[in-house]
Amino acid sequence: NAGVTQTPKFQVLKTGQSMTLQCAQDMNHEYMSWYRQDPGMGLRLIHYSVGAGITDQGEVPNGYNVSRSTTEDFPLRLLSAAPSQTSVYFCASSYGGGGQPQHFGDGTRLSIL
Amino acid sequence: KNEVEQSPQNLTAQEGEFITINCSYSVGISALHWLQQHPGGGIVSLFMLSSGKKKHGRLIATINIQEKHSSLHITASHPRDSAVYICAGYTGNQFYFGTGTSLTVIP
Repeated sequence: NAGVTQTPKFQVLKTGQSMTLQCAQDMNHEYMSWYRQDPGMGLRLIHYSVGAGITDQGEVPNGYNVSRSTTEDFPLRLLSAAPSQTSVYFCASSYGGGGQPQHFGDGTRLSIL
Repeated sequence: KNEVEQSPQNLTAQEGEFITINCSYSVGISALHWLQQHPGGGIVSLFMLSSGKKKHGRLIATINIQEKHSSLHITASHPRDSAVYICAGYTGNQFYFGTGTSLTVIP
């Protein structure tokens, strides 16, 4: 099993560009989520999904869009990149919600110039 | 004020020492998670607690629901334990994370 796979691992964008961070899991997990990690701050939830076709906003959703068309995939879209979105992004999945251990991807380091 | 606070922020220990990392939370949670983030950046789940105590090898996690406090203990610490340890409270629909405790174990 590959677990949770995030691509790309590194990306540099210019302000105003758009891009999609990919996240895929092969464990048939219902719950998937996106976090950003910034220096001196804890992981912060951007968006999450409790199953295919269902998404909801987390703590810091502005500037990001998600969809969940399949159980396996949960892409994160940056609509118009801003320097404030420079961060490390993690995708995670679990069988249930927070009552089950989460499995994390290796992260995507994103820089916006 | 953060919903989840950890202490200490940084911790240096000699190999073999007993280590305690503390986590306090102010929100109502249904579960408390402890995570380990390796120097390379990867994050793994160590424990999920809703009450009492759990043990896995040299790691022990406890939670006191009334006091809204959890501790992570490492017995006989080893340099390979060097990592950032993160606690997270789950409220029923989302997680709130502490800022992490950076642990360095010196041989």
